[in-house]
Amino acid sequence: DTEVTQTPKHLVMGMTNKKSLKCEQHMGHRAMYWYKQKAKKPPELMFVYSYEKLSINESVPSRFSPECPNSSLLNLHLHALQPEDSALYLCASSQGASGDPGETQYFGPGTRLLVL
Amino acid sequence: KQEVTQIPAALSVPEGENLVLNCSFTDSAIYNLQWFRQDPGKGLTSLLLIQSSQREQTSGRLNASLDKSSGRSTLYIAASQPGDSATYLCAVKGWSNYQLIWGAGTKLIIKP
Repeated sequence: DTEVTQTPKHLVMGMTNKKSLKCEQHMGHRAMYWYKQKAKKPPELMFVYSYEKLSINESVPSRFSPECPNSSLLNLHLHALQPEDSALYLCASSQGASGDPGETQYFGPGTRLLVL
Repeated sequence: KQEVTQIPAALSVPEGENLVLNCSFTDSAIYNLQWFRQDPGKGLTSLLLIQSSQREQTSGRLNASLDKSSGRSTLYIAASQPGDSATYLCAVKGWSNYQLIWGAGTKLIIKP
């Protein structure tokens, strides 16, 4: 199974709502990532979890709160978002062998988020 | 600071043609370079990964090359098909543990 799943596929929320995005993988990967992608732009790294610990936070606003309950799951909690946060949110995973030049990241299909 | 550039930004060719997409990077100290495909509104699919010690990788009609000394990679697509229409992104893995440095992508349209 080389699949990364994300739910929901689409999400519309108001600026006062609280919602969560979910990501799951069963490949035994120990690194998981959240990316944000705006239209016609490459993905921007938000967070990296390595062995269930937050290892990278790319100066993301606190209205985005990541959580890694276990090695297979990754959540992104959303609160008080702004319209400019509307984007495709991608989850990815990799084996976690950071020194392996052959390591690749596997991406999920993304959650399309619209903030009104 | 590593920078990745992809030229052209968009490309439209008739079906059946062979084509080349280009990716250049400024720092030759890389671990690997990957080519990804992204269909509109979808996630990314890894097509080919070239390790820093390798010169090229092939998968079906796709061939990717890497020349670290000149800071260039090319993705060659043979006998293009309408189903190849997508945005193609290259990404370089540098010295930091997990971060990929991305190009802006080339939007490819194959006309039937």
